[in-house]
Amino acid sequence: AQSVTQLGSHVSVSEGALVLLRCNYSSSVPPYLFWYVQYPNQGLQLLLKYTSAATLVKGINGFEAEFKKSETSFHLTKPSAHMSDAAEYFCAVTNTGNQFYFGTGTSLTVIP
Amino acid sequence: DARVTQTPRDKVTEMGQEVTMRCQPILGHNTVFWYRQTMMQGLELLAYFRNRAPLDDSGMPKDRFSAEMPDATLATLKIQPSEPRDSAVYFCASGPGLRSPDTQYFGPGTRLTVL
Repeated sequence: AQSVTQLGSHVSVSEGALVLLRCNYSSSVPPYLFWYVQYPNQGLQLLLKYTSAATLVKGINGFEAEFKKSETSFHLTKPSAHMSDAAEYFCAVTNTGNQFYFGTGTSLTVIP
Repeated sequence: DARVTQTPRDKVTEMGQEVTMRCQPILGHNTVFWYRQTMMQGLELLAYFRNRAPLDDSGMPKDRFSAEMPDATLATLKIQPSEPRDSAVYFCASGPGLRSPDTQYFGPGTRLTVL
């Protein structure tokens, strides 16, 4: 069975501060991991994905995530938050490539 | 810029009515997914197709929901009869299906309200 847990359903950061969104996964086989972003009234947009190549993955909009097998984590970071980063972020895991299991999401608020 | 399209974007209906949601996957994609998003349950996979064949619809209430792909450019999700608890945003996603993992590209969703 596979699952992801996103710690913190709401995260607030000041503009210019570090963004850290946490995701821990559970998988009995090597996982593929994804981060998606959802802006209000829109669908999910792929930010980045880990597919067993480099453990540090860079995505769009300055986001990156590091796969840490020992910690079963795939946390999302961005060095400096921008107002436009305010959105809902979802972590997802799959091993087959078809069935994705999404976390419950983390709502990011950026304070000016 | 290829995108998944969904119609309608918003649907308000009364309990007991039939609802049909449509999705046009990205041209050339051969996997299609239907998700339901609610505040309480988050994102739930309802069904997915590969090459128009349903591979898994275990997440879908069978008595009232049905999903089909009449052709490669159209996927439909039907609810009959609809109930207030079906109120949610329904997302369609498609993927190239060429390699594992298959990246899923999401449509904008259909917001369904059942009164």
